[in-house]
Amino acid sequence: ETGVTQSPTHLIKTRGQQVTLRCSSQSGHNTVSWYQQALGQGPQFIFQYYREEENGRGNFPPRFSGLQFPNYSSELNVNALELDDSALYLCASSLTVAGSSRRETQYFGPGTRLLVL
Amino acid sequence: RKEVEQDPGPFNVPEGATVAFNCTYSNSASQSFFWYRQDCRKEPKLLMSVYSSGNEDGRFTAQLNRASQYISLLIRDSKLSDSATYLCAVFKAAGNKLTFGGGTRVLVKP
Repeated sequence: ETGVTQSPTHLIKTRGQQVTLRCSSQSGHNTVSWYQQALGQGPQFIFQYYREEENGRGNFPPRFSGLQFPNYSSELNVNALELDDSALYLCASSLTVAGSSRRETQYFGPGTRLLVL
Repeated sequence: RKEVEQDPGPFNVPEGATVAFNCTYSNSASQSFFWYRQDCRKEPKLLMSVYSSGNEDGRFTAQLNRASQYISLLIRDSKLSDSATYLCAVFKAAGNKLTFGGGTRVLVKP
């Protein structure tokens, strides 16, 4: 196991609602990345958090937002849910070394399966 | 053109056979490369990082061809338990973004 945990495991929401997903990173890791994986596709990068700030963002609208806490855990918030937001949401933790261009491997949590009706 | 592309398969492989498949990437500034394995309805799990010189881990061998911008994965002596979707991932520093391909499905049959 990677030591990355996510909650909840499953969630059902209706269109227009808001959702918060949570991720605890692996011990020793300081960076959390969030991905959306639709059925039959590869994970799509949403954003990354490092030092409690957004540190890179994919092609997702502003209604996808996040937070990182001092203990490196993170939340993904999605407002105004749409049917197409139904997917597996994965977080991945890694270690960023300040001043280094090297990027360490990302390890994934088990994901949260979101269904929007 | 997608940044990272994979043949979706499925590759139907007899048990004990060898299978190989590629992943192409479009951005020459890509820095790091990875293969992940994903079982049905589970999270991706790191299989191996891919280094310039190529690397091997047991029955799995990964190669990187920067000139042609692709990485490959070879599985020897396939086991039934190798049945999974294999995702390649490419990292470039700009945007701190790890980009995944759509995955290659491998089915190993007795």
